[in-house]
Amino acid sequence: GAGVSQSPSNKVTEKGKDVELRCDPISGHTALYWYRQSLGQGLEFLIYFQGNSAPDKSGLPSDRFSAERTGGSVSTLTIQRTQQEDSAVYLCASAGQGADTQYFGPGTRLTVL
Amino acid sequence: AQSVAQPEDQVNVAEGNPLTVKCTYSVSGNPYLFWYVQYPNRGLQFLLKYITGDNLVKGSYGFEAEFNKSQTSFHLKKPSALVSDSALYFCAVRASLTGGYNKLIFGAGTRLAVHP
Repeated sequence: GAGVSQSPSNKVTEKGKDVELRCDPISGHTALYWYRQSLGQGLEFLIYFQGNSAPDKSGLPSDRFSAERTGGSVSTLTIQRTQQEDSAVYLCASAGQGADTQYFGPGTRLTVL
Repeated sequence: AQSVAQPEDQVNVAEGNPLTVKCTYSVSGNPYLFWYVQYPNRGLQFLLKYITGDNLVKGSYGFEAEFNKSQTSFHLKKPSALVSDSALYFCAVRASLTGGYNKLIFGAGTRLAVHP
């Protein structure tokens, strides 16, 4: 079956621009996570969605970062006024209801010039 | 607070030899432990997990991991390494979020290089 998909695979933007990253979780998975992978910080948790519950935003690094999940499926991570330190690979993962294992997408490589 | 340590940045192994990638953890309560592998320009692929039960966990691609509670370790092993095993390996532990949900905390990663 189809895994987690993310788009775009690569995004180059200029400092100060806004970007949107998309994640399509595995069909039927209720949990959706965003992580960021960067050279200096390793893999860090950003935000978590579970069904229609309010998301856990405890990992978002600043108020320039936001995410939404429409209809309990597709999620969009938005970074406003991008900075060079936002350059990283943004990974999305999903998990089934009550499941422990998260399945990851291929990631979006964001480069802020 | 939960944490994971991978003490080796890189592990070099000759093809056909056994390999070990080390991981130690710090959690309160029972640990839920995971190994993921990342190939170049790819996302993370799930290898195996320990939740409860047998201390030796078998996973994908011939990998296994041994849970050792007294040493708080969860080392990844394979009896005979392949060149195609060369990749970045991450150990992770489940950590709690509010509302009874959870996230993964990852180690820094270990790069495995298998030489022909």
